[in-house]
Amino acid sequence: GAVVSQHPSRVICKSGTSVKIECRSLDFQATTMFWYRQFPKKSLMLMATSNEGSKATYEQGVEKDKFLINHASLTLSTLTVTSAHPEDSSFYICSARDQTKGGNTEAFFGQGTRLTVV
Amino acid sequence: SQQGEEDPQALSIQEGENATMNCSYKTSINNLQWYRQNSGRGLVHLILIRSNEREKHSGRLRVTLDTSKKSSSLLITASRAADTASYFCATTTGNTPLVFGKGTRLSVIA
Repeated sequence: GAVVSQHPSRVICKSGTSVKIECRSLDFQATTMFWYRQFPKKSLMLMATSNEGSKATYEQGVEKDKFLINHASLTLSTLTVTSAHPEDSSFYICSARDQTKGGNTEAFFGQGTRLTVV
Repeated sequence: SQQGEEDPQALSIQEGENATMNCSYKTSINNLQWYRQNSGRGLVHLILIRSNEREKHSGRLRVTLDTSKKSSSLLITASRAADTASYFCATTTGNTPLVFGKGTRLSVIA
């Protein structure tokens, strides 16, 4: 089945630095990918929709300058957490659907990235 | 705001028992999907049910959908310790992003 690969799975960084998270669709093309954030024992909150070749669409309350999204190819989207602070520590998960199969298809998720900002 | 609301938030059962989780949502949907998440891991797709379907089975999983009540249920029969995880329902209106409920944390005790 379709696979979405997310890297890295864990990262620890110092406050003020930036961290890039990659999300790849391995055997299908994804013009759209989704980035979610999850706090401990909580649900997934949609942060933004990544669009290949155009600007990402951010959900209300998500700072676009803080969470930079780039979707440069049909198989790769990146999320960069800029000037990270401890409150950015969280679990980030990307998702993609094989859109050639239409709207009634499952979404595939990356393994998630556990970000810890110290 | 979140679309789905799972009920219960936490469920603890003995191995071999059945586990039922419910999900309610607020707006019209194209399909509803159930996912499983082991602690600190990504999500695994379990089952998708379309808005024109009422029931679907996959192995020990049974999902129902009642669009008039905007609700769905996930039944896991003959539960196993390995079923311990969080379960989320998610809805979409087609190509829109999935909107997740709060999830049910299931603990199956051996």
